[in-house]
Amino acid sequence: NAGVTQTPKFQVLKTGQSMTLQCAQDMNHEYMSWYRQDPGMGLRLIHYSVGAGITDQGEVPNGYNVSRSTTEDFPLRLLSAAPSQTSVYFCASSYSMNRVANYGYTFGSGTRLTVV
Amino acid sequence: AQRVTQPEKLLSVFKGAPVELKCNYSYSGSPELFWYVQYSRQRLQLLLRHISRESIKGFTADLNKGETSFHLKKPFAQEEDSAMYYCAGGWGNTPLVFGKGTRLSVIA
Repeated sequence: NAGVTQTPKFQVLKTGQSMTLQCAQDMNHEYMSWYRQDPGMGLRLIHYSVGAGITDQGEVPNGYNVSRSTTEDFPLRLLSAAPSQTSVYFCASSYSMNRVANYGYTFGSGTRLTVV
Repeated sequence: AQRVTQPEKLLSVFKGAPVELKCNYSYSGSPELFWYVQYSRQRLQLLLRHISRESIKGFTADLNKGETSFHLKKPFAQEEDSAMYYCAGGWGNTPLVFGKGTRLSVIA
């Protein structure tokens, strides 16, 4: 049982490049989400999904796309990287968005992205 | 709007001193509240859930509905407690809302 797996762990991009951050979970969680973590800003929600085929925007969605074709995977795509997207990205999952009391969220280990 | 506030960005205490990390929430209703901990450059880990009223690593947190608070407490701080702590709230129909975090530094 690997939990939530994120790849890559580190990435350097040039401005304008695109890339996909991968997130996979093996806990049969319905709910998955992406956060970015910046100093002094805490965790800010980018996109989330309550099940396969269903996605929605969070607080800071601009510049990012997501899709959820399977229960296990929730990739985050940067369309045209900008220096403002330099951050640490965390994927999190849970059995359900609406019923988290007993479990909370399980987080991945993060992807540290630098855009130059 | 739902909001979770952690008023202190940084809290420094001496080893053996009591610790209290503050968390306040806004919005009516009965939120599900959590404390997460993040040790240096690691993933966030669930520390406490208000529903369970448990004590983990000596930490406890009590929900005070009158003050809309969920402060995290420990009677005697240890060096290994140095980390980033996030309070989070869930109101059932939206994703968890996280506070901005408090960095706890325990000085030997």
